Amino acid sequence: QKEVEQNSGPLSVPEGAIASLNCTYSDRGSQSFFWYRQYSGKSPELIMSIYSNGDKEDGRFTAQLNKASQYVSLLIRDSQPSDSATYLCAVNRDTGRRALTFGSGTRLQVQP
Amino acid sequence: GAGVSQTPSNKVTEKGKYVELRCDPISGHTALYWYRQSLGQGPEFLIYFQGTGAADDSGLPNDRFFAVRPEGSVSTLKIQRTERGDSAVYLCASSLMGLASHEQFFGPGTRLTVL
Repeated sequence: QKEVEQNSGPLSVPEGAIASLNCTYSDRGSQSFFWYRQYSGKSPELIMSIYSNGDKEDGRFTAQLNKASQYVSLLIRDSQPSDSATYLCAVNRDTGRRALTFGSGTRLQVQP
Repeated sequence: GAGVSQTPSNKVTEKGKYVELRCDPISGHTALYWYRQSLGQGPEFLIYFQGTGAADDSGLPNDRFFAVRPEGSVSTLKIQRTERGDSAVYLCASSLMGLASHEQFFGPGTRLTVL
């Protein structure tokens, strides 16, 4: 079992729809959770961080964390073609060790 | 302000050669990380510096890989006797220490190709 799992996609949604991206992780001791966006040929760009159970909203993005289910998700409202990218879920396993463990990413395609 | 910078952006070398990859973190960021990313995969952790010292080098794949950060700012990742399997994008990230210290910001990466 991978430490951080994501559906590779592609996830295809029409412009204006809500895109829902999901991630599960195996280590119950994980403390911090991040979503990065990566355009083809570019480096990862941090878009959301979440540390406690519940929802965190930032503009069109909402991150959701459920530690009991070991599940973190990212919702993108009013999806735009410019949101088409690979979305990487990253987990920090504990406060003492700062390395991030990444999933392989979900490719999102927003159809105009 | 300026983000993380990495040089070179591309490096092509021959099997067996030595390479150095440089990272200049965001000003004021004391923590620096190296990752590498292969096609279709997420970044894979290599090493983490807090200040000048390597606080966690557990991700370095073998002793051909070494990194330094002598003055607590710029870091160099050094790869000896390169192998074709070392071909990847090498990413550097930096972060603050403090409440938001877990947020890591990535540089543009160095694409290493070993022929």
